[in-house]
Amino acid sequence: NAGVTQTPKFQVLKTGQSMTLQCAQDMNHNSMYWYRQDPGMGLRLIYYSASEGTTDKGEVPNGYNVSRLNKREFSLRLESAAPSQTSVYFCASSVAVSPLHFGNGTRLTVT
Amino acid sequence: AQSVTQLDSQVPVFEEAPVELRCNYSSSVSVYLFWYVQYPNQGLQLLLKYLSGSTLVKGINGFEAEFNKSQTSFHLRKPSVHISDTAEYFCAVSDPTGFQKLVFGTGTRLLVSP
Repeated sequence: NAGVTQTPKFQVLKTGQSMTLQCAQDMNHNSMYWYRQDPGMGLRLIYYSASEGTTDKGEVPNGYNVSRLNKREFSLRLESAAPSQTSVYFCASSVAVSPLHFGNGTRLTVT
Repeated sequence: AQSVTQLDSQVPVFEEAPVELRCNYSSSVSVYLFWYVQYPNQGLQLLLKYLSGSTLVKGINGFEAEFNKSQTSFHLRKPSVHISDTAEYFCAVSDPTGFQKLVFGTGTRLLVSP
């Protein structure tokens, strides 16, 4: 049972480059989320998708876009990466009031 | 808006000693409360949750937490820690809207030494 799978695990970008972080879950969960984790700041919600076909901004959406491709997949896109976007990105999924299930993260460095 | 405060950024403790990790929250509505653990280079795993009912909640790995509404706290405790409990612990809160937009605290690093 794979749970929540994130790709890639590591990525280095130059300022201004773009990339898409991929996330897929195999638990038939309705809701999916993207968080970023920075030292001393905990996890902050970037975007979420309550159900297939809907997306909403979280606490820190600037500089990001998302796509809920289908029920399983929820991608996060950085159109023009900035050093402030250096972080560890976590995808998570849930259904109803079930706890969030997290992927193992993508460590992104922007130089 | 909800918020979570974890006052201790790091808690050092000796193996087999008891530990308490503190969490306070603020919210104008009823809340769900969670503790997650993160081992190095991994995602977060749920330790325990409070949704309703008994204020003493037991979780995995011998951890428990008590919901105290009057003090708006949800402290995590373990009577005897192991080296393997070394990890970062996050308290989180959400409102019961049917899906979870968790608000996380800044985390407490538990360091267990022999």
